Amino acid sequence: GDSVTQMEGPVTLSEEAFLTINCTYTATGYPSLFWYVQYPGEGLQLLLKATKADDKGSNKGFEATYRKETTSFHLEKGSVQVSDSAVYFCALSNPNTGNQFYFGTGTSLTVIP
Amino acid sequence: DAGVIQSPRHEVTEMGQEVTLRCKPISGHNSLFWYRQTMMRGLELLIYFNNNVPIDDSGMPEDRFSAKMPNASFSTLKIQPSEPRDSAVYFCASSGPLSNQPQHFGDGTRLSIL
Repeated sequence: GDSVTQMEGPVTLSEEAFLTINCTYTATGYPSLFWYVQYPGEGLQLLLKATKADDKGSNKGFEATYRKETTSFHLEKGSVQVSDSAVYFCALSNPNTGNQFYFGTGTSLTVIP
Repeated sequence: DAGVIQSPRHEVTEMGQEVTLRCKPISGHNSLFWYRQTMMRGLELLIYFNNNVPIDDSGMPEDRFSAKMPNASFSTLKIQPSEPRDSAVYFCASSGPLSNQPQHFGDGTRLSIL
């Protein structure tokens, strides 16, 4: 079945460091891919998405490129800030399985000044 | 536009009591999802509805849990009787009809069963 695998956390970085959070997926056909962010005490918020191969999603300095050849959707940011401290979830949605989403386990990021 | 609205935000009750969580999806969304989040098990899908019809309830932990969606603008998740291990944050999410449309989450209900 469909699934998403994220790198294990927690991740701790200094402010202005480069961030990569790895995400790979397993799915038949052509899924859509998403990154969500969850701040403490809040629900998940959509960060960015890509709906077809080679698409790049971007938002708030974060980017991720849909790589079908490596079945990956890694999240990157060139210079993290303390305010980026949160839990990040990779997810996929597949038209072959209706509107159900498959979420990764989440990666906790802490950015220290 | 209003997002997904959940109530209550916090609920503390004693073991054995009935608990009802409520959700109002975004207007025009036809899919609704209930999730549970704990430190130990992460984010778990409990049940989801398409056009008010339950599609997959395989994530509902046991018969003490039930969910309904009587119309397109309202859903409930009920636990009866509640147990301490049900303590978690429960999220409701909704989405449009296409698989490339994101899910939109509410702020969750933090449930504590004493």
